Amino acid sequence: DGGITQSPKYLFRKEGQNVTLSCEQNLNHDAMYWYRQDPGQGLRLIYYSQIVNDFQKGDIAEGYSVSREKKESFPLTVTSAQKNPTAFYLCASSMVLGGGGELFFGEGSRLTVL
Amino acid sequence: SQQGEEDPQALSIQEGENATMNCSYKTSINNLQWYRQNSGRGLVHLILIRSNEREKHSGRLRVTLDTSKKSSSLLITASRAADTASYFCAPRTAGNKLTFGGGTRVLVKP
Repeated sequence: DGGITQSPKYLFRKEGQNVTLSCEQNLNHDAMYWYRQDPGQGLRLIYYSQIVNDFQKGDIAEGYSVSREKKESFPLTVTSAQKNPTAFYLCASSMVLGGGGELFFGEGSRLTVL
Repeated sequence: SQQGEEDPQALSIQEGENATMNCSYKTSINNLQWYRQNSGRGLVHLILIRSNEREKHSGRLRVTLDTSKKSSSLLITASRAADTASYFCAPRTAGNKLTFGGGTRVLVKP
């Protein structure tokens, strides 16, 4: 089935450690996104990429890094510089050309810092 | 940044009733999209309305758009327990990113 796969679903991290969240899509979408969601809150954009080997900062990029070496993959690294990393992370993808830019979301990764 | 602001923040209704939620935004848009999120899950796209459209239907969903007031509404008719979720609007401006507000949490009681 076509879709977006995020892994791991749950992740625990000690303070000071970097962690990488995986996001893979087989929808042949050019654009991919990372959002952060805190309890009871909306989504905030961390990074997005419209094409391989290119990405842009969103509204809350500090303490995060991404890469886009393949069209299908857009991993997010939560670095030790992120002061409050405990959150629910959502990856999404969309077409760039054509359509209305509807986003297709993965099921999320819940990161807890111990 | 441009984002939708949903109102009310929370809504509780009985099964079979209609649920209405509103969205306001600040600048010109290409389209406006509505999404649903079940607890602990990813968002699911529900419906998209373009800036030159005023109303759109999809099953039990009805969306309106008033660009002069920079507002949209989502109506869910004949609600079911399965409609319990958070609902988000996302205005889309030129460029290729969507921003989301805090959402409306809908509880449908059996």
